[in-house]
Amino acid sequence: SYELTQPPSVSVSPGQTARITCSGDALPKQYAYWYQQKPGQAPVLVIYKDSERPSGIPERFSGSSSGTTVTLTISGVQAEDEADYYCQSADSSGTYMVFGGGTKLTVL
Amino acid sequence: QITLKESGPTLVKPTQTLTLTCTFSGFSLSTSGVGVGWIRQPPGKALEWLALIYWNDDKRYSPSLKSRLTITKDTSKNQVVLTMTNMDPVDTATYYCAHSIAAAGDAFDIWGQGTMVTVSS
Repeated sequence: SYELTQPPSVSVSPGQTARITCSGDALPKQYAYWYQQKPGQAPVLVIYKDSERPSGIPERFSGSSSGTTVTLTISGVQAEDEADYYCQSADSSGTYMVFGGGTKLTVL
Repeated sequence: QITLKESGPTLVKPTQTLTLTCTFSGFSLSTSGVGVGWIRQPPGKALEWLALIYWNDDKRYSPSLKSRLTITKDTSKNQVVLTMTNMDPVDTATYYCAHSIAAAGDAFDIWGQGTMVTVSS
């Protein structure tokens, strides 16, 4: 079945830029979505349709797509951004969805 | 304001069937473009997409679990029900339901708080 691949962890210092990647063969054809999950909480949508930001999500969160890789970029990382981040997308035919394995963002 | 809440047993025995109910408010599942999905997360592990039902009764399932899952909706009660047969200890997880809308693609823009299900004899 279809899989999305994320790095297990990313570390940045406060104020720096964090980039979290997600790779999958169908990403050129299907939209990607990004979620932030803090311990003990339900996930929160931070990016939809590759690069759209829901209302209420800070402008420092942005998304981009290039070929089989999509990237979540957090500019000017703050301590409160420390969380697990998951990408989500569909298989090539759009029949079902999958999540990536998640990336733990550590703010040093 | 859209809200969703999951309900069901906290403990099930191996081989039993799990039935979870998602009760929602603030939207109608008869409105074009709306969907409700189920996602689970084993303790300390990643999210796993399970199933999704759309306003037009189109249903999608995870291929790895399709034989064990059934998703249905009751529009009049504002509920979506997920059943999972032949439960196993590896199915121990927090189960979430979530709202999706076509304007956001297939993203889950609003999530319930989740319900923890333990599979043990």
